[in-house]
Amino acid sequence: GQQVMQIPQYQHVQEGEDFTTYCNSSTTLSNIQWYKQRPGGHPVFLIQLVKSGEVKKQKRLTFQFGEAKKNSSLHITATQTTDVGTYFCAGGKSNTGKLIFGQGTTLQVKP
Amino acid sequence: NAGVTQTPKFQVLKTGQSMTLQCAQDMNHEYMSWYRQDPGMGLRLIHYSVGAGITDQGEVPNGYNVSRSTTEDFPLRLLSAAPSQTSVYFCASSFRDGGLARNIQYFGAGTRLSVL
Repeated sequence: GQQVMQIPQYQHVQEGEDFTTYCNSSTTLSNIQWYKQRPGGHPVFLIQLVKSGEVKKQKRLTFQFGEAKKNSSLHITATQTTDVGTYFCAGGKSNTGKLIFGQGTTLQVKP
Repeated sequence: NAGVTQTPKFQVLKTGQSMTLQCAQDMNHEYMSWYRQDPGMGLRLIHYSVGAGITDQGEVPNGYNVSRSTTEDFPLRLLSAAPSQTSVYFCASSFRDGGLARNIQYFGAGTRLSVL
């Protein structure tokens, strides 16, 4: 079945350093979404990418969708302690309402 | 709007007991899903529904039942709890935009379940 793999599982950075998490699907996706989960909280939607090669930015966060629509990345520039949490990618297929989530990358930021 | 409401927030069960995790949404979303979250495993889809009266299995459906009699409610039933079902359970809803399922998930706060 469809699988979405995410790496790394954990990342510890010093505040101010950059951070990147990668997501790879075994099949072509119609869209990819990114979510953030703060410790003890629930996942919260960040962004959705639907076009091949799409790049979107939210302040210090940059999201990319691969040309083949099978991989994606999230890059955070100059991390802050407020970036701490687990970041999930999730791949979707049109018209099913169904998402397959990656395993998540947990980011720790040392002040 | 309350969004997605899950009850209870915490539950401890003994092996073999049954229980129902409640989920309700007030956003008139067509789609609803149940996920379980375990360390290192991400969020795994248990069951989902594309509308009232329609449900389907996800990746890990065994040991769980669902029904969707109304748009608002999507309860998850554990028939005979096992220690392997110790997990955090999230309910989510999402909406259709025109002909396409946008799939953007709105999550509840979760239910933390321990099975002893």
